[in-house]
Amino acid sequence: RKEVEQDPGPFNVPEGATVAFNCTYSNSASQSFFWYRQDCRKEPKLLMSVYSSGNEDGRFTAQLNRASQYISLLIRDSKLSDSATYLCVVNPADSWGKLQFGAGTQVVVTP
Amino acid sequence: DGGITQSPKYLFRKEGQNVTLSCEQNLNHDAMYWYRQDPGQGLRLIYYSQIVNDFQKGDIAEGYSVSREKKESFPLTVTSAQKNPTAFYLCASGELSGNTIYFGEGSWLTVV
Repeated sequence: RKEVEQDPGPFNVPEGATVAFNCTYSNSASQSFFWYRQDCRKEPKLLMSVYSSGNEDGRFTAQLNRASQYISLLIRDSKLSDSATYLCVVNPADSWGKLQFGAGTQVVVTP
Repeated sequence: DGGITQSPKYLFRKEGQNVTLSCEQNLNHDAMYWYRQDPGQGLRLIYYSQIVNDFQKGDIAEGYSVSREKKESFPLTVTSAQKNPTAFYLCASGELSGNTIYFGEGSWLTVV
């Protein structure tokens, strides 16, 4: 089993719609979680950190469910510019420096 | 302008050659990392460093070498022992907390 698993998608979303997807992690000791956005052939960029029960940043909402060991990302009012691959990143805490990356979920927002 | 600079952006390597990818940061971060990304896969850790003159192997260190002579610099050498080096290489840096990290723009290495 992979340490961090994501549905690869693609999630095809009409412009203006809402899309949500999850990421599951295997290490129950994990302390911090992040969503990064990666555009095609570019570097990942931090979208948001996920602490405690989750947080919201504009149209983006991240939730953490420790009991079921998953985090989710919800995008409201999708824009064409939201088309990207979203990487789930987990800090296992018991293994410094070894952030664990999911393979990413591709989102395609269509006009 | 603060950030992480990787060079070259594109590099072609002949079989049997060593190549070195440069990574420089001016964010005053203690920790630096090298990752490899292959299509459809997550990032895999090659090497990381928490302090000058010290570094640790990641999950796929075989065929790679690094140095950390300065806080700002963490070059990666892809040696001829790396059998499948064609990939997208990403350098990153962050605080010692090991939490949020920031990436350079990446280097595309192709074996010809």
